[in-house]
Amino acid sequence: EVQLVESGGGLVQPGRSLRLSCTASGFTFGDYAISWVRQAPGKGLEGLGFIKSKPYGGTTGYAASVKDRFTISRDDSKSIAYLQMNSLKTEDTAVYYCTRGDMVRGKIYYGLDVWGQGTTVTVSS
Amino acid sequence: DIQMTQSPSSLSASVGDRVTITCRASQSINNYLNWYQQQPGKAPKALIYAASRLQSGVPSRFSGSGSGTDFTLTISSLQPEDSATYYCQESYTSLTFGGGTKVEIK
Repeated sequence: EVQLVESGGGLVQPGRSLRLSCTASGFTFGDYAISWVRQAPGKGLEGLGFIKSKPYGGTTGYAASVKDRFTISRDDSKSIAYLQMNSLKTEDTAVYYCTRGDMVRGKIYYGLDVWGQGTTVTVSS
Repeated sequence: DIQMTQSPSSLSASVGDRVTITCRASQSINNYLNWYQQQPGKAPKALIYAASRLQSGVPSRFSGSGSGTDFTLTISSLQPEDSATYYCQESYTSLTFGGGTKVEIK
């Protein structure tokens, strides 16, 4: 079964850091880009960024809202992607999803076709 | 960043109705446009990629069209299980989502 499972969420104080993990199974992890998406309570979806597969350089891209605070990385040998979140703010409280995307000519062409169940991050003192 | 604007933000329709949701990009994204369905308390589900191509397993009553900056998602005959929020998303640059359209059944 193709699956993504997020972990690492929880309660964290403002200004602290947190690292989320996304563990993949059922497919060749290294062939896909991985993207992180979040959803604040009662709000819409917000794309945070992505990391391309190694054949496309493994490069990253980020939304302007998190560019200087969040970092996405991947370990293809373990089929895990990470979202490092620094200097957390109360407005970062959300459900965080990891997703996969298949690429064509350097862009995610087939949409984000597999989603994890999400992990909840609460930033509060 | 590219801005994605969806309309309407919500709608109410009857079973069997034809429903159309529009999505506009602030600049051309060719056909790098995807649609997702999200039911309450669940992760989003991919419906359409490349503006008009159905993901595997998605019912044929869903269809997408458009290119450049203007796109539509159409549900040809609304079913009770289609009650959900629908999002468009560009995958041309940074994967920006539209604000969502909540579809309710009358």
